[in-house]
Amino acid sequence: DAKTTQPTSMDCAEGRAANLPCNHSTISGNEYVYWYRQIHSQGPQYIIHGLKNNETNEMASLIITEDRKSSTLILPHATLRDTAVYYCIVRSFSQGDYKLSFGAGTTVTVRA
Amino acid sequence: DARVTQTPRHKVTEMGQEVTMRCQPILGHNTVFWYRQTMMQGLELLAYFRNRAPLDDSGMPKDRFSAEMPDATLATLKIQPSEPRDSAVYFCASGSWRPGDTQYFGPGTRLTVL
Repeated sequence: DAKTTQPTSMDCAEGRAANLPCNHSTISGNEYVYWYRQIHSQGPQYIIHGLKNNETNEMASLIITEDRKSSTLILPHATLRDTAVYYCIVRSFSQGDYKLSFGAGTTVTVRA
Repeated sequence: DARVTQTPRHKVTEMGQEVTMRCQPILGHNTVFWYRQTMMQGLELLAYFRNRAPLDDSGMPKDRFSAEMPDATLATLKIQPSEPRDSAVYFCASGSWRPGDTQYFGPGTRLTVL
């Protein structure tokens, strides 16, 4: 799997949009970008994923640059419950390798 | 909501004892993953199965760890004998064997080996 680079931590204000960047400059054409988060003491929670196009669901939006070398996860209206570690993962499905490889992630703290 | 379930949620045991952790994947999912999380190492993949057959267990210490899927609704991870360094949170995840698929995680088993 290609590696990702994320900031170690970031703060954001409650009610504002949180924009979480991720660099994946060595991503290959068939690799997806996945985002998970882990709230303290809980299992990782799936947020969103995409291949080439921008994606939106009830939790977040994923913006992938045209060259696919970076992406941004957007939480439109952050709440205190969004405080968590956010993981950006590049996932390959080639040769039957379907695992997720977690890095250190970004610790996001939402402040009132 | 379909969820991955794991039992027990917490386990405290003494060094040398056998530990068995169980996971029930989401119904219809044919891929099951075991991860371990510690402060030092973060989230590590131990092993995973497709259609109950082990595909990759390279992340698992073979001498003491074993993972099986006796049937499609149950996956087990055993440690025998357990050691203090095995103290961690063990997560199970399940998914389908399709590109673009999503893995869903269980709540984890917090293991403490004294």
